[in-house]
Amino acid sequence: GQQLNQSPQSMFIQEGEDVSMNCTSSSIFNTWLWYKQEPGEGPVLLIALYKAGELTSNGRLTAQFGITRKDSFLNISASIPSDVGIYFCAGQSTTDSWGKLQFGAGTQVVVTP
Amino acid sequence: GAVVSQHPSRVICKSGTSVKIECRSLDFQATTMFWYRQFPKQSLMLMATSNEGSKATYEQGVEKDKFLINHASLTLSTLTVTSAHPEDSSFYICSAGEDWEQETQYFGPGTRLLVL
Repeated sequence: GQQLNQSPQSMFIQEGEDVSMNCTSSSIFNTWLWYKQEPGEGPVLLIALYKAGELTSNGRLTAQFGITRKDSFLNISASIPSDVGIYFCAGQSTTDSWGKLQFGAGTQVVVTP
Repeated sequence: GAVVSQHPSRVICKSGTSVKIECRSLDFQATTMFWYRQFPKQSLMLMATSNEGSKATYEQGVEKDKFLINHASLTLSTLTVTSAHPEDSSFYICSAGEDWEQETQYFGPGTRLLVL
């Protein structure tokens, strides 16, 4: 299906640094979801956003649903080695049926000690 | 959060055989489940929407006779790769959401298929 524009494609950071990634879409979204995927496993839901402007935290993770409903960002503060993985944004547009998601290409995060 | 399981986690089969992959919602009912395919270093590609009690809806370019989907109950959907070929080797992942909150999808752990 149609992909969202997710950036950056990859990030190489030192332990303790903050990480920021974002997704944009040409269409309006009802829902933004952020997932983390590790090798050989399915994506794990990190944060779900349902309202424009919503800012939600999950431990060191913070995500926001953009006011225009066409974008979202995810921040990871004080990164640790176990933050390594691929982070995907996903969203449901106003024209898609419930549960049908569009995915970003993913941001690969590498954390060095 | 809701838990989705898949079985098997890995399968190796010979070319020409059929392989069945199960997707179960363990602690909730899911009228709708989704099947994805993922190639190495790529994002998830939606294959089809599995609907309990009715036919699956396939995405453009996905052969329905090749990838048979059966959603037999509110907690189980199966994907059967028929007459598998090496190019069908991939990582297959399902997702499901609670009926009252389908916009939040939970993914299974995935099934790695290798066709020799």
